[in-house]
Amino acid sequence: DAGITQSPRHKVTETGTPVTLRCHQTENHRYMYWYRQDPGHGLRLIHYSYGVKDTDKGEVSDGYSVSRSKTEDFLLTLESATSSQTSVYFCAISSTGPGNTIYFGEGSWLTVV
Amino acid sequence: TQLLEQSPQFLSIQEGENLTVYCNSSSVFSSLQWYRQEPGEGPVLLVTVVTGGEVKKLKRLTFQFGDARKDSSLHITAAQPGDTGLYLCAGDGRKDSNYQLIWGAGTKLIIKP
Repeated sequence: DAGITQSPRHKVTETGTPVTLRCHQTENHRYMYWYRQDPGHGLRLIHYSYGVKDTDKGEVSDGYSVSRSKTEDFLLTLESATSSQTSVYFCAISSTGPGNTIYFGEGSWLTVV
Repeated sequence: TQLLEQSPQFLSIQEGENLTVYCNSSSVFSSLQWYRQEPGEGPVLLVTVVTGGEVKKLKRLTFQFGDARKDSSLHITAAQPGDTGLYLCAGDGRKDSNYQLIWGAGTKLIIKP
């Protein structure tokens, strides 16, 4: 199993509050990703990083920001959580680019009430 | 924008039966991957196909990449309850000007004992 740890694994938060999800990897992979998974939509890319302090937007980046200050850590922040952001969030890593094989963490279940 | 369509969306069959899951697109992909996701976990890579017409076998699972590299299929022989899960296909490509994996919405497979 790829060494990917997501925290928290489960969180319930109120609308309008900021939320940060953390992804930590022990594989020293260059690329890190945040996806959300919703029924009927499959996996959708939120943001990804191709190095320390290097990030780019995915297809559903509105309302989310990311930071990567160290190779091993990639943070996803919901600036002001909304009910539409209730979802399962997956962190993933890869040694090569975004179009190649990626390894997923176990997911973070977020409920915004 | 490239799209991948998976069919069927849901399949429930008895143990011992055979089944085929399809992943189709109007776009050409350089490679295509199949993942399996079990409840409460992240997707795990099963196989990557890269050559048109390529066939790969993983025990009772047979994966085929179409000659034109626009479609792929997953055939399971003598399905077992352990095959239950969400099967996802993903192709390398572009979406919203970003180079990334293009994901199908998945096929939820249930194998009844």
